Amino acid sequence: KNEVEQSPQNLTAQEGEFITINCSYSVGISALHWLQQHPGGGIVSLFMLSSGKKKHGRLIATINIQEKHSSLHITASHPRDSAVYICAVNEGDMRFGAGTRLTVKP
Amino acid sequence: NAGVTQTPKFRVLKTGQSMTLLCAQDMNHEYMYWYRQDPGMGLRLIHYSVGEGTTAKGEVPDGYNVSRLKKQNFLLGLESAAPSQTSVYFCASSYVTTNNEQFFGPGTRLTVL
Repeated sequence: KNEVEQSPQNLTAQEGEFITINCSYSVGISALHWLQQHPGGGIVSLFMLSSGKKKHGRLIATINIQEKHSSLHITASHPRDSAVYICAVNEGDMRFGAGTRLTVKP
Repeated sequence: NAGVTQTPKFRVLKTGQSMTLLCAQDMNHEYMYWYRQDPGMGLRLIHYSVGEGTTAKGEVPDGYNVSRLKKQNFLLGLESAAPSQTSVYFCASSYVTTNNEQFFGPGTRLTVL
């Protein structure tokens, strides 16, 4: 069983919709990361958080340490947001979820 | 700054052949990592390094060796490639600890026939 579970695995949305991607983990962690993998394969870091909430543009990440859960929200989604979103937790080594494939249709 | 670069971008090997993947970073990062990404699975750590001259095993180290002779370079070697090593390999680096943001290379797609 993967220590990091993401849901949903696949998500299709219409442009403008509010998107939520969830991440649950089973171990104690020092930090949680959200990453974005573009269709071309490149991976970029979106957020690193250990408590509370962070916002960058239309992206918002939250974490609840007690419930071992994090969410990534995208407001006013756009086709360019189409990518795989990956949750990773730091428990010494980094452990990664399998990713959520988001497709935003115009 | 080029960030993290990987060579080659693509490679096809026959079973039993050897090869070395090169990762280079120009951000003066101490930590470097090698991951593999397989369909339906998350990235998995193969080996990592916390500084020049040091390496350590990750989650899936078998069949791979690494070297960090220079701070900016991290090499991943396959001595005798197997079809199970068909994967996309990513290198990453971070400033000091694994709590820092990791910067990823563009990946190397390796096929072992």
